[in-house]
Amino acid sequence: AQTVTQSQPEMSVQEAETVTLSCTYDTSESNYYLFWYKQPPSRQMILVIRQEAYKQQNATENRFSVNFQKAAKSFSLKISDSQLGDTAMYFCAFMNNYQLIWGAGTKLIIKP
Amino acid sequence: GAGVSQSPSNKVTEKGKDVELRCDPISGHTALYWYRQSLGQGLEFLIYFQGNSAPDKSGLPSDRFSAERTGGSVSTLTIQRTQQEDSAVYLCASSLGTYSPLHFGNGTRLTVT
Repeated sequence: AQTVTQSQPEMSVQEAETVTLSCTYDTSESNYYLFWYKQPPSRQMILVIRQEAYKQQNATENRFSVNFQKAAKSFSLKISDSQLGDTAMYFCAFMNNYQLIWGAGTKLIIKP
Repeated sequence: GAGVSQSPSNKVTEKGKDVELRCDPISGHTALYWYRQSLGQGLEFLIYFQGNSAPDKSGLPSDRFSAERTGGSVSTLTIQRTQQEDSAVYLCASSLGTYSPLHFGNGTRLTVT
């Protein structure tokens, strides 16, 4: 069975610091996509970044970047220069065909 | 362009009543998903539509739950004879198709009293 594990239920850092959220997954598939979504208190799920499994280059979106280690089945999210607005739940997700498998989420708190 | 729209934003209903939740996906998105999220929890998959058909209904928790999609667009999730354990946020998402990222609505918070 395909699974996604986020081992950090909650993290907090000071504003402007760098923080890394971990995500591991288990699959026998070779073609898949990986996503990070954030869910602020407003409750809307917002796509942060995505990674195609066939691409070796790590995806980046401004202050957000991933460390994708396919052999280790690891997909961590790094947030640089963290801002108060980054406070949210962060969910890692694995996609194969149409199916999305979600992690349990990491609650990230950015302190002023 | 317009995003995914869900209505109502909040719904309070009495136990035993039926409720309908509506989702307007992004125009042109053929795939549509319903999820349920209990307070502080992750996403629980309910149903997936491709066009008007639902090839995967495996997440519907009981026969009190049903969903339909018409015209390849609007979808309605219906919960009959609501129970207190149905209280949750119901999220709808749409996408262009397989391997495309999901775009979510703001959800409907359902409270069953």
